[in-house]
Amino acid sequence: QKEVEQNSGPLSVPEGAIASLNCTYSDRVSQSFFWYRQYSGKSPELIMSIYSNGDKEDGRFTAQLNKASQYVSLLIRDSQPSDSATYLCALTGFQKLVFGTGTRLLVSP
Amino acid sequence: EAGVAQSPRYKIIEKRQSVAFWCNPISGHATLYWYQQILGQGPKLLIQFQNNGVVDDSQLPKDRFSAERLKGVDSTLKIQPAKLEDSAVYLCASSPVLYNEQFFGPGTRLTVL
Repeated sequence: QKEVEQNSGPLSVPEGAIASLNCTYSDRVSQSFFWYRQYSGKSPELIMSIYSNGDKEDGRFTAQLNKASQYVSLLIRDSQPSDSATYLCALTGFQKLVFGTGTRLLVSP
Repeated sequence: EAGVAQSPRYKIIEKRQSVAFWCNPISGHATLYWYQQILGQGPKLLIQFQNNGVVDDSQLPKDRFSAERLKGVDSTLKIQPAKLEDSAVYLCASSPVLYNEQFFGPGTRLTVL
């Protein structure tokens, strides 16, 4: 079982819709969870961090964490074409920070 | 606040040659990470430093890769000799504390011919 699993996509949504990105993980003791956005040819950019169960909102972004079910998700409201990128889930697990392979999001005008 | 600096941005070498990458983290960040990202994959941790000490180098191919952070500030990653499969983007990141939010530099794209 992979430490961090993400659907590689692409996830296609129309402009203005809600994009839902999901991530599951295997290490039950993971404490810190992060979402990074990576545009093609660029380095990852931190957009959200979440440490406790529940929802955390920042502008159009909402991170949701459920430690009992071992998943973390990212919702992007009012999706824009500029949100088209690969979204990487990362978490502390097995005593290191581990990244998923990312989900490619395509927002069509 | 200046971000993480890396150089060079691009490098093309032939297999069996050597190459070195440099990284300067955000001022005051104690933790520095080197990642390898192959196209279509997530970043893979190669080594992480806390100040000038190595915290984790379990995924560093030590027969050909080496890294140092002698004064606890900037760092150098070296590959010698390079193989075709080393073609990737090498990312440096830093964080104020271990396992906290990481901030990435622009990366170095390495092509091995």
